[in-house]
Amino acid sequence: EIVLTQSPGTLSLSPGERATLSCRASQSIGTYLAWYQQKPGQAPRLLIYDVSKRPTGIPARFSGGGSGTDFTLTISSLEPEDFAVYYCQQRGDWPPITFGQGTRLEIK
Amino acid sequence: QMHLVESGGGVVQPGRSLRLSCAASGFTFSSHGIHWVRQAPGKGLEWVAAIFHDGSNEHYRDSVKGRLTISRDDPTNTVSLEMTNLRGEDTAVYFCARDRGWWGQLTWYFDLWGRGTLVTVSS
Repeated sequence: EIVLTQSPGTLSLSPGERATLSCRASQSIGTYLAWYQQKPGQAPRLLIYDVSKRPTGIPARFSGGGSGTDFTLTISSLEPEDFAVYYCQQRGDWPPITFGQGTRLEIK
Repeated sequence: QMHLVESGGGVVQPGRSLRLSCAASGFTFSSHGIHWVRQAPGKGLEWVAAIFHDGSNEHYRDSVKGRLTISRDDPTNTVSLEMTNLRGEDTAVYFCARDRGWWGQLTWYFDLWGRGTLVTVSS
């Protein structure tokens, strides 16, 4: 089972700042990585899949990069609604697909 | 509008059974694979089971094999998760989620989620 390790555990930033979240895989997963956003009491929302593709309706301020074992999610300029928990997820080796433990993005 | 709505959660004793349902609306249900993903209280996400768009294949995580069974009923746009011999570590909010792919192999990415149903296994 592939283990995904996210860092940092918590990121404290202000609206308008740039956020960079990291996700490292225990073995290569190519470009089979997704990012989800989850707010308290809500279901997760798919932000990015295949490392850098955005589903319809996801704002362009969300972007993803990386390959192999190291990946990033960047939010170019934080909006108030972006403060949430973010999870990475791999589908390079299934089943099972696995999620990272999450990064909490909080308002500074 | 597209929706997934879970139901059937509750408090159950260890060793007992429970059946969860996921009702879909607003999209072509028979075109998509469906997954169950769970989240223990205060914890991260854990994939549990998946079923192909045509019901031809299923996948489970090792810890639930032989205890949980996923099935689908296309005429009613419903996916079910039959849970038997429940354990304390099964306590979680259970989400159903739509696979992003259609008419073929699973993509293992989840582009539509329900709000979840809470299962608590406790004596």
